[in-house]
Amino acid sequence: EDQVTQSPEALRLQEGESSSLNCSYTVSGLRGLFWYRQDPGKGPEFLFTLYSAGEEKEKERLKATLTKKESFLHITAPKPEDSATYLCAVQSTSGTYKYIFGTGTRLKVLA
Amino acid sequence: DAMVIQNPRYQVTQFGKPVTLSCSQTLNHNVMYWYQQKSSQAPKLLFHYYDKDFNNEADTPDNFQSRRPNTSFCFLDIRSPGLGDAAMYLCATSPLTGGWANVLTFGAGSRLTVL
Repeated sequence: EDQVTQSPEALRLQEGESSSLNCSYTVSGLRGLFWYRQDPGKGPEFLFTLYSAGEEKEKERLKATLTKKESFLHITAPKPEDSATYLCAVQSTSGTYKYIFGTGTRLKVLA
Repeated sequence: DAMVIQNPRYQVTQFGKPVTLSCSQTLNHNVMYWYQQKSSQAPKLLFHYYDKDFNNEADTPDNFQSRRPNTSFCFLDIRSPGLGDAAMYLCATSPLTGGWANVLTFGAGSRLTVL
């Protein structure tokens, strides 16, 4: 069964304290892995797509990486405005239109 | 700006009183989705449309129905809401790239409260 697990569930960082969020996945075949940011009471906002092991994408303080079993979202020198829930979603080759979401990591960055 | 708009943002209803949530998009995407998201949980797919082709998830309760009268609009009807249906309902759209759905663009969500 296709599955996505994110860890940790919650993370508190001091401003400037770098860390990584993990997304482990089990799928029959990976079409793409997506990272989204969700602010409280809002819909998720797209961050990155990764398609193959070894691929990396960067945007400001965020960097996403992908292996055959997991993806990491690295946050370098975070700021309070980076506080949000970060969701990982996987699209498998067995489902053209379907995405399997993880439960997310709630990140709180303290000033 | 092209976007996905959901209405209403907040809906309060009584137990058993029907509710309709709407979603409109200006992105001209083929695929539209309805997700249910409860607190601290992953979004759960209820339905999706590829153009007018409707796809119901096997575990979506019969209480939930959907309509897509045209490319731009999609509706979620909850016929008899129960307390367990209180949640955020997210509409999302996706283009097709090479025959595959791609990046999801979400609306801001409709928060449903059932009294």
